[in-house]
Amino acid sequence: DAGITQSPRYKITETGRQVTLMCHQTWSHSYMFWYRQDLGHGLRLIYYSAAADITDKGEVPDGYVVSRSKTENFPLTLESATRSQTSVYFCASSEGPGSSEDIQYFGAGTRLSVL
Amino acid sequence: EDKVVQSPLSLVVHEGDTVTLNCSYEVTNFRSLLWYKQEKKAPTFLFMLTSSGIEKKSGRLSSILDKKELFSILNITATQTGDSAVYLCAVSNAGGTSYGKLTFGQGTILTVHP
Repeated sequence: DAGITQSPRYKITETGRQVTLMCHQTWSHSYMFWYRQDLGHGLRLIYYSAAADITDKGEVPDGYVVSRSKTENFPLTLESATRSQTSVYFCASSEGPGSSEDIQYFGAGTRLSVL
Repeated sequence: EDKVVQSPLSLVVHEGDTVTLNCSYEVTNFRSLLWYKQEKKAPTFLFMLTSSGIEKKSGRLSSILDKKELFSILNITATQTGDSAVYLCAVSNAGGTSYGKLTFGQGTILTVHP
């Protein structure tokens, strides 16, 4: 039972490069989320998705793009990486409408450094 | 804008101590409050609270919600070094197309010394 997996776990890139972080879940959860975690800010929502082909902006979407062509995948792309995007990125998923809608399950995270 | 504030931001205790972590919130249309534990990896779910005054308990951990005063506490009794972690509080908003979105606090860093 793989659950929710992120790749890569670590990534070093240079400013201006495009970077894609992958997220894959095996639970068929409807909802998926991308967060970034920085010291002093906790977890901040970048983008979320309610279902395949339905995505929307969170609190800090600038500089990021998402897609969700299949329920199980939710990649996050940094179109032109900047140093301020150095962070730890977490993907999460939840079941969807129902009593457990708010319980999110997290991947192990991707530590991204932009030089 | 929904807001979650946790206190203290950090706490250092010795094994066997009891600790209380606080979470206060402002949300326009409250649905639930959640606690997560984060060690050096992914946050893991601890509790979800939706009703005031009903204690949720799991081993040495317990939590309760006060919807009138807009806060929750997480208690850990007889702490162990394995309890060292960041504890995150989050709230969900039932308004509009919420899609299970959560607003997180900054977290409380708990360090338990032997």
